[in-house]
Amino acid sequence: GAVVSQHPSWVICKSGTSVKIECRSLDFQATTMFWYRQFPKQSLMLMATSNEGSKATYEQGVEKDKFLINHASLTLSTLTVTSAHPEDSSFYICSASRTGWGNTIYFGEGSWLTVV
Amino acid sequence: DAKTTQPPSMDCAEGRAANLPCNHSTISGNEYVYWYRQIHSQGPQYIIHGLKNNETNEMASLIITEDRKSSTLILPHATLRDTAVYYCIANRDDKIIFGKGTRLHILP
Repeated sequence: GAVVSQHPSWVICKSGTSVKIECRSLDFQATTMFWYRQFPKQSLMLMATSNEGSKATYEQGVEKDKFLINHASLTLSTLTVTSAHPEDSSFYICSASRTGWGNTIYFGEGSWLTVV
Repeated sequence: DAKTTQPPSMDCAEGRAANLPCNHSTISGNEYVYWYRQIHSQGPQYIIHGLKNNETNEMASLIITEDRKSSTLILPHATLRDTAVYYCIANRDDKIIFGKGTRLHILP
């Protein structure tokens, strides 16, 4: 079964509103989680690293005020897309792993966001 | 992370073994080789990973060359459900950077 779970699986929101996506590690603690975005027919693009108890680290070109990341516990990271616009419509995916070199990295099922 | 090179697409007949190559000639000693696949509209699925030795699990086998500069993922008996994009990654931490992968088509 899934060891990393995302919620919701899909969401439709109106332009200008904010939407929150959750990523949970189900049977392990993850001090670090990662958020990706994927547009149709493209590969996954890393957006940011979510660090438990500290600020997220964003990849170049990703707006930190647009994509708010909170990692308040060792099993939960949230991504909030603020003031969403149609161009933010995408497939958002998170990943997490048990701490340690060479450990398996698991991905969530993904969350489809459509902004209308 | 070391750069990996994969063919953009491959075909394989159903029931045959699918052999997916990956070149990682700049891999460093502490980087593992990971394989993931992504079926349409789903999150990436872990397949297998290894450091030096060949590995096998219920899904696939991973053959790593002795110099570690390339590897092959083997799906022993491909089915239509194995149609997906397969990603080969050389990595030493949790942060995975995806390339374009290989789109594997299983032909009935």
